[in-house]
Amino acid sequence: QSVLTQPPSVSGAPGQSVIISCTGSSSNIGAGYDVHWYQQVPGTAPKLLISENINRPSGVPDRFSGSKSGTSASLAITGLQAEDEADYYCQSFGGGWVFGGGTKLTVL
Amino acid sequence: EVQLLESGGGLVQPGGSLRLSCAASGFIFSNYAMSWFRRAPGTGLEWVSAITPSGDKTYYIDSVRGRFTIARDNSKNTLYLVINSLRAEDTAEYYCARERWNSAKSGHFDYWGQGLPVTVSS
Repeated sequence: QSVLTQPPSVSGAPGQSVIISCTGSSSNIGAGYDVHWYQQVPGTAPKLLISENINRPSGVPDRFSGSKSGTSASLAITGLQAEDEADYYCQSFGGGWVFGGGTKLTVL
Repeated sequence: EVQLLESGGGLVQPGGSLRLSCAASGFIFSNYAMSWFRRAPGTGLEWVSAITPSGDKTYYIDSVRGRFTIARDNSKNTLYLVINSLRAEDTAEYYCARERWNSAKSGHFDYWGQGLPVTVSS
């Protein structure tokens, strides 16, 4: 059971938008710890996608955006592309590293 | 360019041991805490262990404490994970990652190794 809660799966057609939620508690996200997002394409290593709630590392398309409010955070992906099909994980901190269970994005 | 290059995975029998290595380059290794993660088939990403920059403190998830040992050699820019008493449930892809803190509330992992398969089977 993951400390942060994510939907197991989301899907969307090419060009559409999806939002992946990440719900924590007052012990982690609600305590002011930042939320970070990782993308893991099957067969490859995880990649930092969004850091500190909203920041995109160099090379990450602006189709990816993050937000945080209260004890939750969200990752929005606009203009879905086939290459976005991957697993997405949120991560924060709260007495230790806390992660979501991952959300599988399927591009229909 | 930051690079983390892992080695040492493979097939091992239950009860056996392995030493995973993660060779770092492109940054001052001794300035950064490091972690190991794993992803077992059909499951999500799991943090396994961490070590402080100097190596004076180590941390583990409960399921591996006493069987796994994280270590580092800052003179060789290398991170290690020694895995003893391997169990079938340790079968996973293992990743090393660099820890980054831009503020007291912003800990995350900015660079990852390519992944190392560990299969525990007789």
